[in-house]
Amino acid sequence: DTGVSQNPRHKITKRGQNVTFRCDPISEHNRLYWYRQTLGQGPEFLTYFQNEAQLEKSRLLSDRFSAERPKGSFSTLEIQRTEQGDSAMYLCASSLTGPGYNEQFFGPGTRLTVL
Amino acid sequence: QKEVEQDPGPLSVPEGAIVSLNCTYSNSAFQYFMWYRQYSRKGPELLMYTYSSGNKEDGRFTAQVDKSSKYISLFIRDSQPSDSATYLCAMSFQGAQKLVFGQGTRLTINP
Repeated sequence: DTGVSQNPRHKITKRGQNVTFRCDPISEHNRLYWYRQTLGQGPEFLTYFQNEAQLEKSRLLSDRFSAERPKGSFSTLEIQRTEQGDSAMYLCASSLTGPGYNEQFFGPGTRLTVL
Repeated sequence: QKEVEQDPGPLSVPEGAIVSLNCTYSNSAFQYFMWYRQYSRKGPELLMYTYSSGNKEDGRFTAQVDKSSKYISLFIRDSQPSDSATYLCAMSFQGAQKLVFGQGTRLTINP
């Protein structure tokens, strides 16, 4: 399978715990994006990387959230001191770089439930 | 007010019907307009994209963009039960990377 993969697919945690999600983009894609989707809503942009550089962060990405993309390959999204409001689907996408439109290909998401 | 507004539905139509899905937006700087389909517990997959105004057709799907009205549409002809999903409109600015999504419309095609 050469699509975007995310692990784990599901995560249940207790409030206050830290969680980390992983995203493996399509191998030749140098852009990687994180979005959050709550029930009944469309995805909301969190942050994106070009290679290993984090180039944009949404105000939704509070201090408890940190994302990394070491070596410009896979990326991790960590949430510290989770809150019930963090319960959502966390989607990763990747794309090529070029002029004009570059399609973002989405992974299956990691569903987080904070108890 | 959200930047992109989309009626969440749900929308239920019989098989074979023509389906019309719509979004409105407030920021005239949007240049790229996309429609994604999302099945339950899956990530969104791109159906069509359009740059600026105009129509684009792909098989049973037609996307229209009217920038003067800040209104975009997706038409599905000869709808099939397999078209049952949530349809998300999305937009981006020229040179920007993030997508701004609508809320999504949940569509059911009844056999």
